[in-house]
Amino acid sequence: SSELTQDPAVSVALGQTVRITCQGDSLRSYYASWYQQKPGQAPVLVIYGKNNRPSGIADRFSGSSSGNTASLTITGAQAEDEADYYCNSRDSSGNHLVFGGGTKLTVL
Amino acid sequence: EVQLVESGGDLVQPGGSLRLSCAASGFTFSTYWMHWVRQAPGKGLVWVSRINSDGSSTNYADSVKGRFTISRDNAKNTLYLQMNSLRAEDTAVYYCARVVDSGSSLDYWGQGTLVTVSS
Repeated sequence: SSELTQDPAVSVALGQTVRITCQGDSLRSYYASWYQQKPGQAPVLVIYGKNNRPSGIADRFSGSSSGNTASLTITGAQAEDEADYYCNSRDSSGNHLVFGGGTKLTVL
Repeated sequence: EVQLVESGGDLVQPGGSLRLSCAASGFTFSTYWMHWVRQAPGKGLVWVSRINSDGSSTNYADSVKGRFTISRDNAKNTLYLQMNSLRAEDTAVYYCARVVDSGSSLDYWGQGTLVTVSS
């Protein structure tokens, strides 16, 4: 399968830890990347590779992977973390990219 | 500062054509693979196409294969997406993005350009 599956919505209390997951067969072969998108804005890369954060991304964002599941963890969620989060990876052929359907994170 | 600026989005009738451009600056454009990603209104991100650094290799999503053509002009630091036989379901914001290490991580994105296919 070339699909990546995400929960449509997740909520977290302010200051608590939340994990957003992404499942797909291609994740057994390729790392997932994670993107944050706020309304009306372009996506922003927050995690890539094994667990790499681009410059300027807060260290409360981290990534992990096990089997066919990749996870984005936000430790100590802040109000500004409320956004849509997307995972992506290569598909099983390695020549195409595929995105998950996105997870809407609400910070309570 | 890395910048990607898309242009060319417009309202077009079904069956029509459009060419999108993405002007790159702030990095050595000719050494990076580039991608197009689209997002229909209120929907998620969908990968469209990619091109390698010298333009010799391209790939397309099944939904656009045979209708869209990705290309680049490294002398002009510009990426293109030629879109033919447009359908209502092609309506979306189209983003160009730079990829890290020729993989799947898109580290810089443009602001997007809106393509609306409607009669």
